Amino acid sequence: GAGVSQSPSNKVTEKGKDVELRCDPISGHTALYWYRQSLGQGLEFLIYFQGNSAPDKSGLPSDRFSAERTGGSVSTLTIQRTQQEDSAVYLCASSLAGRDTQYFGPGTRLTVL
Amino acid sequence: DQQVKQNSPSLSVQEGRISILNCDYTNSMFDYFLWYKKYPAEGPTFLISISSIKDKNEDGRFTVFLNKSAKHLSLHIVPSQPGDSAVYFCAATVQGGSEKLVFGKGTKLTVNP
Repeated sequence: GAGVSQSPSNKVTEKGKDVELRCDPISGHTALYWYRQSLGQGLEFLIYFQGNSAPDKSGLPSDRFSAERTGGSVSTLTIQRTQQEDSAVYLCASSLAGRDTQYFGPGTRLTVL
Repeated sequence: DQQVKQNSPSLSVQEGRISILNCDYTNSMFDYFLWYKKYPAEGPTFLISISSIKDKNEDGRFTVFLNKSAKHLSLHIVPSQPGDSAVYFCAATVQGGSEKLVFGKGTKLTVNP
């Protein structure tokens, strides 16, 4: 079946602008994660959604970052007033339930000029 | 403070030989460990995992070893194939929590024909 999809694949924006990144998880997966990978770094956890539970936002680096998951499926990560240090690849993953293998999308490469 | 460390940024081996990728962790609460493989412009793909109750897990050419006392794990690939050339990420998690993965920075493996 279809894997995790993310859009756009690339996004170039100017400092101070807002951006929205989209993730479509694998159908039926109840858990959804956002990570980011900055240049030369490992993947850094941002936020986790599991079913109807309150999301774990402990990885969000600042209040400029927010995410929502509508209808238990599609998720949008929003970065307000982007800064150059926000430049990274943003990866979404989903799993059948919280303890199962996480399957990653191809990522969105964000460049803030 | 990096909780998962992959101290070798790169590794080069000859086709047919063994590849050994190493990973160290500092958080004694971690009880589940995973290896992901990543090709350029793609998301990471799950390779193999191991629970802290085991010290070895094998899947075909891939074996993961866990030494809890040393807080060290390793991934062995034998025999190595050119298609194994990729970046390998070690990840750890605490099961029963949010299941967020804590990643190392990755090791780039090159298998030469």
